[in-house]
Order: sequence, then structure tokens, then C-alpha cells
Amino acid sequence: GQNIDQPTEMTATEGAIVQINCTYQTSGFNGLFWYQQHAGEAPTFLSYNVLDGLEEKGRFSSFLSRSKGYSYLLLKELQMKDSASYLCAVGPSYNNNDMRFGAGTRLTVKP
Amino acid sequence: DTGVSQDPRHKITKRGQNVTFRCDPISEHNRLYWYRQTLGQGPEFLTYFQNEAQLEKSRLLSDRFSAERPKGSFSTLEIQRTEQGDSAMYLCASSLNRRKKETQYFGPGTRLLVL
Repeated sequence: GQNIDQPTEMTATEGAIVQINCTYQTSGFNGLFWYQQHAGEAPTFLSYNVLDGLEEKGRFSSFLSRSKGYSYLLLKELQMKDSASYLCAVGPSYNNNDMRFGAGTRLTVKP
Repeated sequence: DTGVSQDPRHKITKRGQNVTFRCDPISEHNRLYWYRQTLGQGPEFLTYFQNEAQLEKSRLLSDRFSAERPKGSFSTLEIQRTEQGDSAMYLCASSLNRRKKETQYFGPGTRLLVL
């Protein structure tokens, strides 16, 4: 089976940096995805890691350690519009074709 | 390049009625996925198609649920004899399977409320 764990809620201040952690246990692995989801809307793709290390994309960066089953999403220079849920998901692998999502971390950015 | 679209965006129905949702994927994408999401949870996989073939179904997909993708383009998800527990957001996603790298792009979802 697959377990994906991430904190339920986080709060941060506008302009600050926040790190959202995700740990996973999976029998197969083909990439770690992060999605952003605003309330009542569909998830939108943020990042994809398949190799260990840091992937940077503007204010957002994502890190992966496959040996530790660990990833994090780093958000810099937080803006109010970053208030959303952030979903960690393990991608399709050789023995399963669906993407498995964590429950999401609801981030609230305060002034 | 249009994204994934879903219709309707909202559906209210009475328990016991049948409902059908439609998903139009990104045009060149060969894979299409259906997910269900309830409040405070991440999306749960229901089923997926590669072209017109339905390759995998979750155990969550009871016999009241059926999905089709007749020509390998749009897909429909039908729920028969709806129950209150079916109330959820139904999300469709599409992707282009290219070697091992595959990113799924989601549609806006259909929010179902069963009274």
C-alpha cells in the first residue's frame, strides 16, 4: 500500500518563508508531485521531482529524498494569494497507474 | 491550448436518481483519470483510461459507477441510484504518457450534492 503524510494545517506571515513536509511509503515510485488547490477549485500543478535534490521554480522549490521517502515544498516571499491547500502526491509507477494524494496541508498566510 | 473541461460544474440531485458527468481532456493527451474528492481530503483515484481502454478501476468504484471513453477523447462518468455518500467533487485529469514522466492536469471539477 501507500501512505502519504503531511501536516493538516500551517500558518505563516506575508513575506516569510514556509516549508511544507511530506513523507511517503510506497511499493513503487515514479515521481513526487506537488499541487496547489484553492478552496472550491481544482488542483493545479506546481512541481515534479523524480531524482533526489532540489527543483526551483520562481518562489516555489521542491525537494526530494527517495531513500528517506521525504519531500518538501518551500514557498518564499509569501503572498496572501498563496493561502491554499498544498497536496503531495506520489506518481504512477510500474505496478500501479494511479496517482496517490495526501490529504493536503491547508496554508493560511496572514498579513 | 484549452485545458481540461468538465460539465456540469454543479449538480444537485435526489437520492436514487442517475447522474452523468462529462470530461473533455487536453486534446493531445492520451490518458484520462477520474478522481473523487471530499472536504478536507486529497483526491481519491477512481479509474483511468489510456486512449479508449479503461485500464484500471479502484475498489472505490462500486457497480453503481461506470465510466466510458468511447473514442479516446471525451469521457463520461455515470452514477446510478445515487446515495448521499456520493456527494463530493468529481475531478477529471488528463496527461500525456511520455516514457516515465507524466504530469496530470485537472479540470475544474463537478460538485455533486445528493439530497
